Amino acid sequence: EAQVTQNPRYLITVTGKKLTVTCSQNMNHEYMSWYRQDPGLGLRQIYYSMNVEVTDKGDVPEGYKVSRKEKRNFPLILESPSPNQTSLYFCASSFGGTSGANVLTFGAGSRLTVL
Amino acid sequence: QKEVEQNSGPLSVPEGAIASLNCTYSDRGSQSFFWYRQYSGKSPELIMSIYSNGDKEDGRFTAQLNKASQYVSLLIRDSQPSDSATYLCAVKNPGNTPLVFGKGTRLSVIA
Repeated sequence: EAQVTQNPRYLITVTGKKLTVTCSQNMNHEYMSWYRQDPGLGLRQIYYSMNVEVTDKGDVPEGYKVSRKEKRNFPLILESPSPNQTSLYFCASSFGGTSGANVLTFGAGSRLTVL
Repeated sequence: QKEVEQNSGPLSVPEGAIASLNCTYSDRGSQSFFWYRQYSGKSPELIMSIYSNGDKEDGRFTAQLNKASQYVSLLIRDSQPSDSATYLCAVKNPGNTPLVFGKGTRLSVIA
């Protein structure tokens, strides 16, 4: 089944404890992206990647890191999480490569709480 | 700043009525337009895409695009309670760019 898989789906952590949210897609998509979604603020893009080894900042990159060493994986790293990073996170992918995102397929979401 | 604007709602319609959801965008060069539906706590799912002026129909859904007015809309005919969700408009601008999402309109279909 074609899908984007995120893990963990739910996580409660404490301030400053490094964590990684994994994202993997099995559709051979070039483009991958991370979003966070907060009430009243809609979907906000954190980072995106046009292809392997190519990553760019989105609208709200502060406090996050990403890497794209393989086409299928795009992990989101929070080096020192803070309570304002409590949010619902979505990974998404699409064909598009250097022409940018096209039709996005989203993962199921990861609900992160930072205490 | 390229923007996509939507009325946040909630838009309440009775069951069986037509729901009309609207979206405006700021970049005249925008090429592709998408509507995603998102149920509470779930991920967005694509329901319609439209690339040229006019109407595009798919079942009970019709997307309408007017590039001169920089306006895209989604009509849902015979609305059902299961259509109650947040509808996100997304726009693809030219070149090497990501999709730009509106904040979404919350639709409530009342039985």
